[in-house]
Amino acid sequence: GDSVTQMEGPVTLSEEAFLTINCTYTATGYPSLFWYVQYPGEGLQLLLKATKADDKGSNKGFEATYRKETTSFHLEKGSVQVSDSAVYFCALSSNDYKLSFGAGTTVTVRA
Amino acid sequence: NAGVTQNPKFQVLKTGQSMTLQCAQDMNHNSMYWYRQDPGMGLRLIYYSASEGTTDKGEVPNGYNVSRLNKREFSLRLESAAPSQTSVYFCASSDAQAGQGNHFGDGTRLSIL
Repeated sequence: GDSVTQMEGPVTLSEEAFLTINCTYTATGYPSLFWYVQYPGEGLQLLLKATKADDKGSNKGFEATYRKETTSFHLEKGSVQVSDSAVYFCALSSNDYKLSFGAGTTVTVRA
Repeated sequence: NAGVTQNPKFQVLKTGQSMTLQCAQDMNHNSMYWYRQDPGMGLRLIYYSASEGTTDKGEVPNGYNVSRLNKREFSLRLESAAPSQTSVYFCASSDAQAGQGNHFGDGTRLSIL
């Protein structure tokens, strides 16, 4: 079945540091891939997505590229801010109505 | 812009009690979902409704029932709560297919003693 594996946290960074969160997946067919972000006490928000191989999703300075050959969708940001502290989830959809999520990575950015 | 609204936001139950979690969306989405979030496990799909009048089991449906009351509302019921159902529950909606991304509510934090 479908599954998503993302790097375990927690991750602690200083402001302006480079952030990478690794995500790999197993799926049938050609899934759509997503990154969601969850700020404390809130629900998940869609951060970015990619629907086919080599697509790059981007939003708020975050980027992720759909790599079919390595079945990966790593999240990157060049210069993080304190406001980027959150839990980040990688997810995929290869079925019309279902999303499969990774376990989440907690990121803390210190001033 | 309400989006997806969940009620209540917090609840404490005793083992064996029943409860219904309410969810409503105002985006005219066809599909709605219930997830539970547990530490270290991400979100797991409990039930979903692809369209008004249909419901289907997700990954962890045991101990739950759902009702798609109309296009806007999708409720989750625990008939006899158990401590293993202590979790944060999220409702979500999407425009027809999950490939478009889910829109999430703020969650219901449920503790079962």
